[in-house]
Amino acid sequence: DAGITQSPRYKITETGRQVTLMCHQTWSHSYMFWYRQDLGHGLRLIYYSAAADITDKGEVPDGYVVSRSKTENFPLTLESATRSQTSVYFCAGGAGGANVLTFGAGSRLTVL
Amino acid sequence: AQSVTQPDIHITVSEGASLELRCNYSYGATPYLFWYVQSPGQGLQLLLKYFSGDTLVQGIKGFEAEFKRSQSSFNLRKPSVHWSDAAEYFCAVGAPGGSYIPTFGRGTSLIVHP
Repeated sequence: DAGITQSPRYKITETGRQVTLMCHQTWSHSYMFWYRQDLGHGLRLIYYSAAADITDKGEVPDGYVVSRSKTENFPLTLESATRSQTSVYFCAGGAGGANVLTFGAGSRLTVL
Repeated sequence: AQSVTQPDIHITVSEGASLELRCNYSYGATPYLFWYVQSPGQGLQLLLKYFSGDTLVQGIKGFEAEFKRSQSSFNLRKPSVHWSDAAEYFCAVGAPGGSYIPTFGRGTSLIVHP
């Protein structure tokens, strides 16, 4: 029972390149989320999705794009990566609506 | 708007000592409250949750938390800490109805000395 699977787990890229972080769930959570975790800031919500084809901005959406054509997948794309986007990214799925979250293991992204 | 405050960035305890991590929330009604734990290099795992009823809730790994409405608090406790409890702990607040996006605190890092 994998739950929430993120890939890649580690990624190094260069400024200006496009990067896509993948998130796949083996359950049927209606809600899915992308957070970034940075020292001193805790978890900050980037985007979330309430259902397929329904997405909305979180606290820090600038520079990111999401899509959700299928319930089980919720990719996060950095269209032109910047150094400030160096972070650990977590995908999560919501059980019981949005309240109880199951997290993936994270994707550590380094932008040089 | 809802908010969560974890006033302690770091907490250091000795193995075998008791532990209390503080969490204060701001929300207009009775919230849903959660504690998550993040071990190094891992994602977050739910420790326990409060939805309603008994204000003292039991979680996994021997943790418990108490909801105190008068103090807007949901502090996490453990009577005897083990070295494996060293981790980052996050308090979160949600809302009945399921469509409300949970808000996380900034986390408290627990350091356990042998």
